[in-house]
Amino acid sequence: GQQLNQSPQSMFIQEGEDVSMNCTSSSIFNTWLWYKQEPGEGPVLLIALYKAGELTSNGRLTAQFGITRKDSFLNISASIPSDVGIYFCAGLGGSNYKLTFGKGTLLTVNP
Amino acid sequence: SQTIHQWPATLVQPVGSPLSLECTVEGTSNPNLYWYRQAAGRGLQLLFYSVGIGQISSEVPQNLSASRPQDRQFILSSKKLLLSDSGFYLCAWSLSPTGPPGFGSGTRLTVV
Repeated sequence: GQQLNQSPQSMFIQEGEDVSMNCTSSSIFNTWLWYKQEPGEGPVLLIALYKAGELTSNGRLTAQFGITRKDSFLNISASIPSDVGIYFCAGLGGSNYKLTFGKGTLLTVNP
Repeated sequence: SQTIHQWPATLVQPVGSPLSLECTVEGTSNPNLYWYRQAAGRGLQLLFYSVGIGQISSEVPQNLSASRPQDRQFILSSKKLLLSDSGFYLCAWSLSPTGPPGFGSGTRLTVV
């Protein structure tokens, strides 16, 4: 089946630093999604990308849908302590309903 | 606006006991509904999805089953729980098969 390789697995940064994480796949996806999950909660959608090359921002977050449709990245600028959580990428390929999730990036922000 | 409710938040059940987790969606009709399981390794695994009342598709053979008795109600069940059924269960919904799912707050199930 389709797999997503998400990196890094974890990040420890200082408040104010910028963050970058990415997902790659050997398969083509039609939709890329980025979620954030806080402890004990369900994932919350941050950004949805629907077109190759699309660059979308949501506040301090920016994500891009790779031109090859096999990758996506998420950047967080000027991190703050409330950015702490696990960030997941997810891709939707040729088979509907079946989102493929990355294993997540655990972000820790030191004040 | 649409909201999704999932309960209970936590559950501790003995091995061999039955399970019923419920999820309801408000503010929309005919949603696509999903059950995911999240193991300690963080990955989310799709267990079941439904595009309409009484229609259930299973992604992974397992000790669990799902039902959709009403348009906006999705239930995850088991007749006899196994230790390996422990995990974090998430209900999700979307407006269309290609729409991004919105997740419930999850149920932490511990089988002892």
